[in-house]
Amino acid sequence: SQQGEEDPQALSIQEGENATMNCSYKTSINNLQWYRQNSGRGLVHLILIRSNEREKHSGRLRVTLDTSKKSSSLLITASRAADTASYFCALLGGSQGNLIFGKGTKLSVKP
Amino acid sequence: ETGVTQTPRHLVMGMTNKKSLKCEQHLGHNAMYWYKQSAKKPLELMFVYNFKEQTENNSVPSRFSPECPNSSHLFLHLHTLQPEDSALYLCASSHAGQGGNQPQHFGDGTRLSIL
Repeated sequence: SQQGEEDPQALSIQEGENATMNCSYKTSINNLQWYRQNSGRGLVHLILIRSNEREKHSGRLRVTLDTSKKSSSLLITASRAADTASYFCALLGGSQGNLIFGKGTKLSVKP
Repeated sequence: ETGVTQTPRHLVMGMTNKKSLKCEQHLGHNAMYWYKQSAKKPLELMFVYNFKEQTENNSVPSRFSPECPNSSHLFLHLHTLQPEDSALYLCASSHAGQGGNQPQHFGDGTRLSIL
């Protein structure tokens, strides 16, 4: 079934730098969601972008979607140590149209 | 505070024990989910309930038994588990409908260790 694949698997940057994570997928989508997971905690929904949208912003987060390339990117601007977490993209999949998550990108922001 | 509360946060049990995980949501959602998160593997959907009815069982072994008495509560009953069942078990909720079209709200999980 449909599953997004995040790239890179791990990313280490300095505070203040921008972080970009990518998600690629194989079949057509209705929407794509991004989630964050801090160590030892549950996932937190960040942004849902629909297939007819190309870009969406939420605070320091910017998500783009290119359906022709079957890819999405999550950009975190002016990163902070508190942004250290794993980031997952999630797509509609399975027989009942449930969310299927990728393996995630582990982001480390050093102070 | 996510509005989804899971208890206990940590659980250690032997393979012959019976225990239950509990999830409660205060968000007025009608759909609830159980996921399993193991190291180095993607999040695995286990069960889905819409309006208290089970709509997805993702080939989960029968030693895991879910229960959804109402739209706010979800349980996962555990019996004769195996060491490979050690993982973080996450509960989530959303508005009903196709789960992929709705943002999901997660609890902080139960870290389960099987001895």
